[in-house]
Amino acid sequence: ELKVEQNPLFLSMQEGKNYTIYCNYSTTSDRLYWYRQDPGKSLESLFVLLSNGAVKQEGRLMASLDTKARLSTLHITAAVHDLSATYFCAVDRGGTSYGKLTFGQGTILTVHP
Amino acid sequence: NAGVTQTPKFRILKIGQSMTLQCAQDMNHNYMYWYRQDPGMGLKLIYYSVGAGITDKGEVPNGYNVSRSTTEDFPLRLELAAPSQTSVYFCASSYWAGLTEAFFGQGTRLTVV
Repeated sequence: ELKVEQNPLFLSMQEGKNYTIYCNYSTTSDRLYWYRQDPGKSLESLFVLLSNGAVKQEGRLMASLDTKARLSTLHITAAVHDLSATYFCAVDRGGTSYGKLTFGQGTILTVHP
Repeated sequence: NAGVTQTPKFRILKIGQSMTLQCAQDMNHNYMYWYRQDPGMGLKLIYYSVGAGITDKGEVPNGYNVSRSTTEDFPLRLELAAPSQTSVYFCASSYWAGLTEAFFGQGTRLTVV
């Protein structure tokens, strides 16, 4: 059974600081997604990582995938208040189950002035 | 371009009642999904469809049924509602499974009392 674990689950940051959210998963997969969810809202796609070593960047966020370590990271650079949200990683089970995602618990990020 | 549209947005059901959550997408996506999100948790896959007439169970299918008669629509049926089905339900669609991100609807907040 595929398990996906994020840490930390809660992250309180000061504006301007850097931090990394980690996403570990338990079985082989080379497809991983990051989503953002604002309170009471739907999920918004941030990054699609489709191979070992994939790195994607958008603004102050950068995501990477290491399939050998079964680890993805979401790095936040010089945080701003607008980044406050819950961030989820989701791993595709692959094989005959392509498209079926297993989500992590989510990391609640709060950025303080 | 509406994307993924879910109705209703909110619903209160009594134990034992039934209802259908509607989901429609206008992006001509073959793949559609139903997830549920319990408070403070990640999403869990309920059912999955790779095209009209083809559906498959996800992680937590018990108590639910789906049908997919058209590419656009993917309704989720709850039979004999139970308090354990109190959750937020998200419908999603994607163009390719495992290669492109899923687009999510706004969610249906369901309470069973």
